[in-house]
Amino acid sequence: GAVVSQHPSRVICKSGTSVKIECRSLDFQATTMFWYRQFPKQSLMLMATSNEGSKATYEQGVEKDKFLINHASLTLSTLTVTSAHPEDSSFYICSASTDSNQPQHFGDGTRLSIL
Amino acid sequence: GDSVTQMEGPVTLSEEAFLTINCTYTATGYPSLFWYVQYPGEGLQLLLKATKADDKGSNKGFEATYRKETTSFHLEKGSVQVSDSAVYFCALRGNQAGTALIFGKGTTLSVSS
Repeated sequence: GAVVSQHPSRVICKSGTSVKIECRSLDFQATTMFWYRQFPKQSLMLMATSNEGSKATYEQGVEKDKFLINHASLTLSTLTVTSAHPEDSSFYICSASTDSNQPQHFGDGTRLSIL
Repeated sequence: GDSVTQMEGPVTLSEEAFLTINCTYTATGYPSLFWYVQYPGEGLQLLLKATKADDKGSNKGFEATYRKETTSFHLEKGSVQVSDSAVYFCALRGNQAGTALIFGKGTTLSVSS
């Protein structure tokens, strides 16, 4: 089946550091990738939608300069949390889809902890 | 906007008990409906889906029927196992191209032997 690999699975770093999270579709071409954020015991909140080769579409309230998304190829999207602070600590999950009629396949998530 | 509401947990059951997790939605048009499961320490996995009214999705003994008249997609299983302990998310996706999934808050299921 379709596999989405997300890396790293866990990051612990100091406040002010920028952190890059990669999301790869291993056996299919993902025209669309989605980035979600999950707070403890809460649901997944959509942060942005990215289509290969174009700028990401951010949800209301998500700072695009804070959360930089790049979808440079049909198999890779990256999320960079710039100048991370403790309030950015969360579980970030990506998903990928070939098109709107196909299910989204999820990565295993990245737990980001900012000290 | 579109939204999903699911029953709050945690739900605690004994092995072989009957499970129902309620899910209702608000959406324009005719969305697709999904149940995802997240086992401890793992990512999300698609459990089942339904794409139109009266469709029944089923997998691993779980079932859910797309009820447009009641805007519901309740998850059921006749006999739960300890291995079913996980967080279950109801989700919908609009039928426009490139639409993301919208999730409910998740329901934690704990099954004891």
